[in-house]
Amino acid sequence: DAEITQSPRHKITETGRQVTLACHQTWNHNNMFWYRQDLGHGLRLIHYSYGVQDTNKGEVSDGYSVSRSNTEDLPLTLESAASSQTSVYFCASGNLDEQFFGPGTRLTVL
Amino acid sequence: DAKTTQPTSMDCAEGRAANLPCNHSTISGNEYVYWYRQIHSQGPQYIIHGLKNNETNEMASLIITEDRKSSTLILPHATLRDTAVYYCIVQKGNYGQNFVFGPGTRLSVLP
Repeated sequence: DAEITQSPRHKITETGRQVTLACHQTWNHNNMFWYRQDLGHGLRLIHYSYGVQDTNKGEVSDGYSVSRSNTEDLPLTLESAASSQTSVYFCASGNLDEQFFGPGTRLTVL
Repeated sequence: DAKTTQPTSMDCAEGRAANLPCNHSTISGNEYVYWYRQIHSQGPQYIIHGLKNNETNEMASLIITEDRKSSTLILPHATLRDTAVYYCIVQKGNYGQNFVFGPGTRLSVLP
């Protein structure tokens, strides 16, 4: 069955380190998205991609970057992790009708 | 994209219908109404979407008023597993699906 996976599921890092969160989907969707979710907030869009070599900034893109070298993967990189980036991160992929979300990565920046 | 307004929380008895309202008074003609839900600590899950006609699938029904300014998601026979945060999203039916998730409605299904 097609699926979307995220790794790692949990990550603890230190301020200033570079961190990459992986997202892999086997739906063959062109659209992929990264969200973060904090207590008291809904999901907020970080970056998204409509296809290979396409990336776009979302609502809260500062301090994050993505690259899309193939259809299946959209890794999210925190260039220099900050405590404010402690959050749960969700990756999603979608077609015209719906988005399919991964299980999430809980990131703690100390 | 149009903004939506939902109640913060609702309770529903197990086995009864859960009716979750959403106001989207500034919706434009080419915007769809989408519903997602998020069960504790999981990623959101698509439920249903519609433009102006009522829609039904195996999970729920979506009733959109004739003026399209509000809609209701109906879970016909709520179970404890339906306890979740439900998000109503209004979005143009275009290629991008750049969804904006608000705070949603926290539905508690009570035994």
